[in-house]
Amino acid sequence: EIVLTQSPGTLSLSPGERATLSCRASQSVSSSYLAWYQQKPGQAPRLLIYGASSRATGIPDRFSGSGSGTDFTLTISRLEPEDFAVYYCQQYGRHLRWTFGQGTKVEIK
Amino acid sequence: EVQLVESGGGLVQPGGSLRLSCAASGFTFSSYEMNWVRQAPGKGLEWVSYISSSGSTIYYADSVKGRFTISRDNAKNSLYLQMNSLRAEDTAVYYCARELAVDYYYMDVWGKGTTVTVSS
Repeated sequence: EIVLTQSPGTLSLSPGERATLSCRASQSVSSSYLAWYQQKPGQAPRLLIYGASSRATGIPDRFSGSGSGTDFTLTISRLEPEDFAVYYCQQYGRHLRWTFGQGTKVEIK
Repeated sequence: EVQLVESGGGLVQPGGSLRLSCAASGFTFSSYEMNWVRQAPGKGLEWVSYISSSGSTIYYADSVKGRFTISRDNAKNSLYLQMNSLRAEDTAVYYCARELAVDYYYMDVWGKGTTVTVSS
């Protein structure tokens, strides 16, 4: 079973700053199987990135994903007020099907 | 508009049962694999169960195996989760989510969720 570990747990930043979120897998993961989601309080998760680096429909280009193997990164180039939320990475794992990281909260400093 | 709407949540006693439904609209439901994902209060996301587009392949998380049953009715554009022998730790918001699994694997459409509370 692959475990996804996200860091940091909380990121305190100001609007306009750059956010770098990490997702580390306990074993190598195919990039095709790695996705990122944003969740705001009281809302369902929203797909941001799939295939480690492809933006989902309607996602602004300030969001970017990168990485391969066991290390993946979500970068928000310039934080907008609406970007303060919790972010989850997710990987596909056949019989276990899906595993999520524990989440990174991006909060206003 | 592509949409998933969950229903059926509520308050149930430990050991009780509940059946969740997820109504799909705006897309060809029978062509898509579906999942249930839950989120306990203040916690992260936990995958619960998967069903293939035809219903022939099903997977469960270990935490619900033997207690929960996923099913679908493609004629009614609906997904279900029968939850039996409920425990306090099953308390969560339950989301249904559409899966895309061709070249890339991800969940692209989510419902707003339905809340299940297991308490005496």
